[in-house]
Amino acid sequence: DAGVIQSPRHEVTEMGQEVTLRCKPISGHNSLFWYRQTMMRGLELLIYFNNNVPIDDSGMPEDRFSAKMPNASFSTLKIQPSEPRDSAVYFCASRPGLANYGYTFGSGTRLTVV
Amino acid sequence: DAKTTQPPSMDCAEGRAANLPCNHSTISGNEYVYWYRQIHSQGPQYIIHGLKNNETNEMASLIITEDRKSSTLILPHATLRDTAVYYCIVRVESNYQLIWGAGTKLIIKP
Repeated sequence: DAGVIQSPRHEVTEMGQEVTLRCKPISGHNSLFWYRQTMMRGLELLIYFNNNVPIDDSGMPEDRFSAKMPNASFSTLKIQPSEPRDSAVYFCASRPGLANYGYTFGSGTRLTVV
Repeated sequence: DAKTTQPPSMDCAEGRAANLPCNHSTISGNEYVYWYRQIHSQGPQYIIHGLKNNETNEMASLIITEDRKSSTLILPHATLRDTAVYYCIVRVESNYQLIWGAGTKLIIKP
């Protein structure tokens, strides 16, 4: 089991550019989460998918952020246009079923917007 | 939702037991206690969880007081690789909105 796979590990981009973060959840996990972590705000839930359907996107900061899950094995988080305040580590996590103990997190994408 | 209180930081000598406390005095009957940890530059990792009874797995033990208002995570033989931020989270099992506080930064010293 390769775990939750995120790419890229690091991304540096200029303000105004589009950024796409990618996630491959663990096979068989039907829930997928995107989190953002900063020193100031800690870990924040951005969006939650269950069976590829977005269930809760109330944590998405604004319209510049969008997320998709076209199939059970792939999800993207897109920021367009990016801003310096979007700089953070973005984590993808998946879990089987609905229990809170089954979360497996990816290694994260460190995004720097200059 | 029950809130948790953890000390911001703790030290422990390598090879000794690390005991991490968590207060959750407003916990309700159907809320579980979850422990996760985050090693530097990695995503959080599940450690253990419990409802009422003490629990043990290959990573740690969880001791929950009888009134459920506090709990202790025990790493029986801490190693340098256990240096991490440890999060205590209280939540009903069906609520995916985990509240990640500041946690306890545990430093294992040689």
